[in-house]
Amino acid sequence: GQNIDQPTEMTATEGAIVQINCTYQTSGFNGLFWYQQHAGEAPTFLSYNVLDGLEERGRFSSFLSRSKGYSYLLLKELQMKDSASYLCAVRDYGGATNKLIFGTGTLLAVQP
Amino acid sequence: GAVVSQHPSRVICKSGTSVKIECRSLDFQATTMFWYRQFPKQSLMLMATSNEGSKATYEQGVEKDKFLINHASLTLSTLTVTSAHPEDSSFYICSAKEQGLHTEAFFGQGTRLTVV
Repeated sequence: GQNIDQPTEMTATEGAIVQINCTYQTSGFNGLFWYQQHAGEAPTFLSYNVLDGLEERGRFSSFLSRSKGYSYLLLKELQMKDSASYLCAVRDYGGATNKLIFGTGTLLAVQP
Repeated sequence: GAVVSQHPSRVICKSGTSVKIECRSLDFQATTMFWYRQFPKQSLMLMATSNEGSKATYEQGVEKDKFLINHASLTLSTLTVTSAHPEDSSFYICSAKEQGLHTEAFFGQGTRLTVV
């Protein structure tokens, strides 16, 4: 079966660093994505890992360990506008079509 | 990144009517499109995967006769919610990708459907 888990909610302080974890168990694996979603809007792409290790994209970094079925998203220098849901998604092999399976999402609240 | 346009962004319809949602890839050929629905404070649930020119593949528990998907061209897929009921009220989001196992999928803006 497909199982992707994230904490439901997190709170952090403006200017700080926060780490959002994601664990997954999927029948196939062809990459892990992180998306940001503000309420009522579509997800926007943040980061992508297909090999083990850390990928850095400005204030956002994402880490992947395929052997452990684990990833995290690291947000640095938090800003109020970073308050949003963060979605972990695994791209699963679906024959000729890879599909994205989303985790439960983590609602991050950034406080002054 | 590539642009995916979804229309309408909001729609209110009466119970029993049908609603069509369009998803267009504006600057690339979308061989595959995905349709998701999202309930408040929940994550995206994949409803179906459609490949241009062939029938959509529905996820378990999704009624294909209720949610009709057409992907007749490389730039357009439509989702029709037939005989809508209040419990169909949700946020529907499409994403589109080009051919290839490692190409990225891009999301439309989403459609907020309210059935009254």
